Amino acid sequence: GEDVEQSLFLSVREGDSSVINCTYTDSSSTYLYWYKQEPGAGLQLLTYIFSNMDMKQDQRLTVLLNKKDKHLSLRIADTQTGDSAIYFCAESPGAGSYQLTFGKGTKLSVIP
Amino acid sequence: ETGVTQSPTHLIKTRGQQVTLRCSSQSGHNTVSWYQQALGQGPQFIFQYYREEENGRGNFPPRFSGLQFPNYSSELNVNALELDDSALYLCASSLDGGNTIYFGEGSWLTVV
Repeated sequence: GEDVEQSLFLSVREGDSSVINCTYTDSSSTYLYWYKQEPGAGLQLLTYIFSNMDMKQDQRLTVLLNKKDKHLSLRIADTQTGDSAIYFCAESPGAGSYQLTFGKGTKLSVIP
Repeated sequence: ETGVTQSPTHLIKTRGQQVTLRCSSQSGHNTVSWYQQALGQGPQFIFQYYREEENGRGNFPPRFSGLQFPNYSSELNVNALELDDSALYLCASSLDGGNTIYFGEGSWLTVV
């Protein structure tokens, strides 16, 4: 079955770049998503990438996709204390299915 | 602002009882899905509804059921509550053919 793996913790200094990594096993994944969850809150969609793309950039966020290795990363430039949260990687088969398979999340701590 | 609202935000139920959680989506979002997020875990897909019909289900027993209404609202019903049902329940909605999947803030259910 599908599986999405993420490292559980990441700590960075304010102003540095953060890189959060994710691996997935389902080769039929069509869309890959990054969500942010702050304490006690729901999921905020940050960005997503279609599987035929290698990279997507959106302001401070850069998503890189290595489809051969089934590896996805999220880079946050100039990390701020407000970026402290849990970041979830998720994959979807697309084609009318919005069933997302999530990783366990990476807790990002930003040190002032 | 995702346009997805959920109620109630918090509730406490006793083991064996039944609960109904509600979700309201944006106009035109014909697909709604529900997720269960246990503490410290990523969200797990429960089921998906499209135009009032269930068209996808995760690994959850039949005591988890749902309804979707023509006014873009939906319900998640859980019968015979168990202690392990304590979790954050998230509703997500999507526009037909769209790839953005928006989540609400969730309903925290505690079963005692």
